[in-house]
Amino acid sequence: DSGVTQTPKHLITATGQRVTLRCSPRSGDLSVYWYQQSLDQGLQFLIQYYNGEERAKGNILERFSAQQFPDLHSELNLSSLELGDSALYFCASSVGTSGSARSGELFFGEGSRLTVL
Amino acid sequence: GENVEQHPSTLSVQEGDSAVIKCTCSDSASNYFPWYKQELGKGPQLIIDIRSNVGEKKDQRIAVTLNKTAKHFSLHITETQPEDSAVYFCAAKEGGGNKLTFGTGTQLKVEL
Repeated sequence: DSGVTQTPKHLITATGQRVTLRCSPRSGDLSVYWYQQSLDQGLQFLIQYYNGEERAKGNILERFSAQQFPDLHSELNLSSLELGDSALYFCASSVGTSGSARSGELFFGEGSRLTVL
Repeated sequence: GENVEQHPSTLSVQEGDSAVIKCTCSDSASNYFPWYKQELGKGPQLIIDIRSNVGEKKDQRIAVTLNKTAKHFSLHITETQPEDSAVYFCAAKEGGGNKLTFGTGTQLKVEL
């Protein structure tokens, strides 16, 4: 158990809809990262937050947004969903902006599997 | 942006044999190279990492080598066991940054 909690584990919705994925980081971790894992693709970095502020941005679509709340949990909002948005969405956390003592180690949750029909 | 190439995409070995996975990083400023293992239905988990000032690092049956000049780094698993079957990802951290860029993954299957 990594200590990172993601909900929901599975989500099925229709095109055009909006969903929210939630992540609770490990206790004490200030950074939260969101990654998308599609079939036959690696882990695509979406966005990072550190202590409530956006710190780095990757290949995140304009239809997607995220935020980190004062209690450090994070939410990833996906809107106007398309079939191609079906994927596993992972949240990861680390102590600081550069990770723990292992300098960059990320602790991943078990992911939220989104299916868009 | 940074790109990490990984191969092979699939690898099948007999139990007890060695497995090697190779990666190449496009960013010469990258200084941290971790390897993650993802078991079915779970999130990736760090198994070993190496920094740019070290050429090789070993942890029991797992070793990682780094050729910084050529921007190549490799994962070596010796005496493979069925529980080593998983998807393995290499990654690199941009120099001065904190974002990890992952390779496309290698599906390793250890056959009895």
